[in-house]
Amino acid sequence: EPEVTQTPSHQVTQMGQEVILRCVPISNHLYFYWYRQILGQKVEFLVSFYNNEISEKSEIFDDQFSVERPDGSNFTLKIRSTKLEDSAMYFCASSLTYRDLHEQYFGPGTRLTVT
Amino acid sequence: QQPVQSPQAVILREGEDAVINCSSSKALYSVHWYRQKHGEAPVFLMILLKGGEQKGHEKISASFNEKKQQSSLYLTASQLSYSGTYFCGTPAGGTSYGKLTFGQGTILTVHP
Repeated sequence: EPEVTQTPSHQVTQMGQEVILRCVPISNHLYFYWYRQILGQKVEFLVSFYNNEISEKSEIFDDQFSVERPDGSNFTLKIRSTKLEDSAMYFCASSLTYRDLHEQYFGPGTRLTVT
Repeated sequence: QQPVQSPQAVILREGEDAVINCSSSKALYSVHWYRQKHGEAPVFLMILLKGGEQKGHEKISASFNEKKQQSSLYLTASQLSYSGTYFCGTPAGGTSYGKLTFGQGTILTVHP
């Protein structure tokens, strides 16, 4: 069964460093999302992406964050200058279509630890 | 505005039933249900698109009442594998698609 994959599974970085989290969505999906989950809390939406541009973004997704689809398969989340409070599990999700089939399938996540 | 789930936690013995509720102060056009096991990604269970519609997944079913702006998840004859945190997610802006705003989760623990 097709699945969303994410790399790395765990990333440790120092405050102020840049990190890039990578995702490979399900191949025929058209909409891509990033969510994050701080330990013990709920899953929070960051950004959605369709047709090579951002569809929606949350207030969390400030200028330190960016997303990119550099090729036909990868979808990346970049944090330019990480802060301690960026430590969280980051999930990538994808869905087939936006309006009719809404199921979002989540990847296994990347645990980001900022020290 | 996030949906509100109740109860916050449920403890069951195998074979018992449970109901998890999800309500919103805003009009709902769809409700998505996910289950997340500790340290894992949320797994899609089902989506309800129409008022009053019920859907099923194994022995888990759900209903959606547009008028009451709420959805309920029914877990029947629970199994050990049902343990996890259940989240309901609602699309924002009065739509049935797009970014999901999740409730705070309901922790379900099933004991032998």
